[in-house]
Amino acid sequence: DGGITQSPKYLFRKEGQNVTLSCEQNLNHDAMYWYRQDPGQGLRLIYYSQIVNDFQKGDIAEGYSVSREKKESFPLTVTSAQKNPTAFYLCASSIRSSGFHEQFFGPGTRLTVL
Amino acid sequence: KNEVEQSPQNLTAQEGEFITINCSYSVGISALHWLQQHPGGGIVSLFMLSSGKKKHGRLIATINIQEKHSSLHITASHPRDSAVYICAVGPLSGAGSYQLTFGKGTKLSVIP
Repeated sequence: DGGITQSPKYLFRKEGQNVTLSCEQNLNHDAMYWYRQDPGQGLRLIYYSQIVNDFQKGDIAEGYSVSREKKESFPLTVTSAQKNPTAFYLCASSIRSSGFHEQFFGPGTRLTVL
Repeated sequence: KNEVEQSPQNLTAQEGEFITINCSYSVGISALHWLQQHPGGGIVSLFMLSSGKKKHGRLIATINIQEKHSSLHITASHPRDSAVYICAVGPLSGAGSYQLTFGKGTKLSVIP
């Protein structure tokens, strides 16, 4: 089955530690995205990548880093510089079809920093 | 930057009721997406539309481009429809990536 996988589903870390969230897709999509979701707020874009070895900052990139070494993988590192890292993180990918972009989402990772 | 507003924020309905969720946006778009998020957190795409109306089962989505407004309707609502429904809009430009702007969501609870 094609889709996006994120692991783990729940992640706990101590304050001050870096943590990497995994995102893998087998949809052969070029573009991938990381969003953050907080209670009562819409999803906000952290980083996106249009192609391998290229990525761009989104609206809230401070305290995060990404890499895109393979088309299938777009891991997100939450660094100790991120002041409020506890949130729900969603990975997505998109493909252009018939002039429109259909975006697909992973199941998400809920990160709790203690 | 597009502003996306959804209403209502919360909605409680009796099973069988007809439900409407509204979405308005401020700037022209290429397409509007309706998404469903269940309590576990994963998001499923329900509709992507740029004009007119689409129907899938008991779900109907409409869009009025001139008024910058879309509605999501659920007919004969069921407790399994309980979820957060999110409206998102895609920009006019962008051949490569496609950066959506999201509303805050409407939390729907359908009571048996």
